[in-house]
Amino acid sequence: KQEVTQIPAALSVPEGENLVLNCSFTDSAIYNLQWFRQDPGKGLTSLLLIQSSQREQTSGRLNASLDKSSGRSTLYIAASQPGDSATYLCAVDNNDYKLSFGAGTTVTVRA
Amino acid sequence: NAGVMQNPRHLVRRRGQEARLRCSPVKGHSHVYWYRQLPEEGLKFMVYLQKENIIDESGMPKERFSAEFPKEGPSILRIQQVVRGDSAAYFCASYGNMNTEAFFGQGTRLTVV
Repeated sequence: KQEVTQIPAALSVPEGENLVLNCSFTDSAIYNLQWFRQDPGKGLTSLLLIQSSQREQTSGRLNASLDKSSGRSTLYIAASQPGDSATYLCAVDNNDYKLSFGAGTTVTVRA
Repeated sequence: NAGVMQNPRHLVRRRGQEARLRCSPVKGHSHVYWYRQLPEEGLKFMVYLQKENIIDESGMPKERFSAEFPKEGPSILRIQQVVRGDSAAYFCASYGNMNTEAFFGQGTRLTVV
C-alpha cells in the first residue's frame, strides 16, 4: 500500500524567500506524481505533473523534481509571494488509477 | 479546475437524513473519481466510475454509501442516514485518458448536525 508523507507540515517564510517542500513515498513503482495547491475552503488546482520517466518539471517560478528510486519529490517555489500562501499537496499514481495523497504542507508567506 | 462542476458547494444535513452530492466531469471525460477529505487529513480515494459502471469502490464504506455515473447526467455520491463522522469535504475528479493530469472540482462540504 502506497504511503505518502509530506514534510514539513507547515512552513512560514518572509516574502522573497525560496520555498522547498518535500514529498516521500514508500512504493517507487509509480506511474506519475502530481503537485496540487489547495486554498482554504476551495478545491485542488493542479500545479505540475511529473511522469515516472521524467526527472523534473518546471512552470514559471515552480520546479518539481522526482527521484523515483529513492521515493522522493521536491517542489521548489522561487521568490515566494504572499499569494503563494496555501496548502500544497503531493499525490502519487501507482497505475491503479487511484491517487494517494500526502497530508499537505501549509505555507504562509509573510509580507 | 478546468470544468469539473460539483454541487452543492455546502450541504448541511441532520443526522439520519440523506445527502446527495453531484459531479459533472470535464466535457468529454469518462473517468470520474470521488475522494473524501476529513478535517486535518489528506484526501482518501473512495470510488472510481466510468459511464454506467463502477470500476473500483474499495475506498467507499460498505454501508450507507453508494455512487453512480449514469449514461446521461452527473455522477452522484449518495450517503444515507448520515452521521456526524460523515462531515467532510467530498471532491470529484475527472480524467480524459489515463496518465494525464486529474482535474478536481471545488468540492462539496458536508456538515452533519
